[in-house]
Amino acid sequence: AQSVSQHNHHVILSEAASLELGCNYSYGGTVNLFWYVQYPGQHLQLLLKYFSGDPLVKGIKGFEAEFIKSKFSFNLRKPSVQWSDTAEYFCAVNALHSGNTGKLIFGQGTTLQVKP
Amino acid sequence: KAGVTQTPRYLIKTRGQQVTLSCSPISGHRSVSWYQQTPGQGLQFLFEYFSETQRNKGNFPGRFSGRQFSNSRSEMNVSTLELGDSALYLCATRTSGKTDTQYFGPGTRLTVL
Repeated sequence: AQSVSQHNHHVILSEAASLELGCNYSYGGTVNLFWYVQYPGQHLQLLLKYFSGDPLVKGIKGFEAEFIKSKFSFNLRKPSVQWSDTAEYFCAVNALHSGNTGKLIFGQGTTLQVKP
Repeated sequence: KAGVTQTPRYLIKTRGQQVTLSCSPISGHRSVSWYQQTPGQGLQFLFEYFSETQRNKGNFPGRFSGRQFSNSRSEMNVSTLELGDSALYLCATRTSGKTDTQYFGPGTRLTVL
């Protein structure tokens, strides 16, 4: 069965520190990859996505992610975090083995706490 | 464009009852997916509807069902509620292409007592 693994469950950083959140998935075929963010009291919002092409994708609020196919990874990065980045981050995979499906498989999430 | 709307936002039910949740997609979105979010299991896929047909189903018991109407609005139903059904139920909608993004609603918080 396909699965998504996020290595860090809880990360605490000071403002201006750099961030990298790991995400690995288990599926050998074509995938669409996503990072979603859930700010306190708000609903899930798309941070960035990868479908094809340049493996380095940029999203909102200065976030970027790199798809490394050989490592089945899609790690999220931000060079300098802000207090407002405090949120829960979810990596998600859409496996396209059976064509076009609306099934996202999510990682367990990473809670990021940024100290001012 | 208005976002995905879900009603009601909060529900309290007792064991054995049934519940119906509603999801109205973004205009033009024809696919609706449902997810259950709990602290222990995280976000899990329930099912997807497209053109009034269930296209995909996750690993949930038959007590969880859904449907979609001709205007793409979707409902999910949980019968014979159990304590473990307490969760945030999210719907996500998209237009339906292979490179589409799912946009999530605010969710319905269901508490089963």
